[in-house]
Amino acid sequence: QKEVEQNSGPLSVPEGAIASLNCTYSDRVSQSFFWYRQYSGKSPELIMSIYSNGDKEDGRFTAQLNKASQYVSLLIRDSQPSDSATYLCAVTLGQGAQKLVFGQGTRLTINP
Amino acid sequence: NAGVTQTPKFQVLKTGQSMTLQCAQDMNHNSMYWYRQDPGMGLRLIYYSASEGTTDKGEVPNGYNVSRLNKREFSLRLESAAPSQTSVYFCASSEKVRGSYEQYFGPGTRLTVT
Repeated sequence: QKEVEQNSGPLSVPEGAIASLNCTYSDRVSQSFFWYRQYSGKSPELIMSIYSNGDKEDGRFTAQLNKASQYVSLLIRDSQPSDSATYLCAVTLGQGAQKLVFGQGTRLTINP
Repeated sequence: NAGVTQTPKFQVLKTGQSMTLQCAQDMNHNSMYWYRQDPGMGLRLIYYSASEGTTDKGEVPNGYNVSRLNKREFSLRLESAAPSQTSVYFCASSEKVRGSYEQYFGPGTRLTVT
């Protein structure tokens, strides 16, 4: 089992709809969870971090964390064509750890 | 404030050649990292440095060496390049924020080994 798993997609969503991206992880001790956005040919850009169970909202983005189910998700409301990118889920290994483990990413396409 | 910078942007090597990828950050971060990204594999950690003077292996360190030259700079060296090292290489840096380390990435180096 991979340490961090994401559906590689592609995920296709119409403009204005909600895009839902999911990630599961295997290390029960993981404490920190991140979502990165990566446009084609560019570097990953941090868009959300979440550390405790529940929801965290930032503009059109909402991160959701459920440690009991070892599940983290990212919702993008009112999806725009500019949201088309690959979204990477990243999780720390162990408590207080500096190293991140990345999922393989989900490719998201927003259709006008 | 440039953030994390990497040189070169592109490089083509022949098998057996050596080269050093350079990375620098101006955010005064203690921790720095080198990753490689291959299609369908996500980002994999090669080496990281928790502070000036320390380095540790990541998931895929074989064939690479690193040097933390000072707090700003962290270089990655390929002593004898192999086609399997064809990849995009990203450098990142981080600082502890609210008990966690949020990583920020440089623009990457696209390396081809023929």
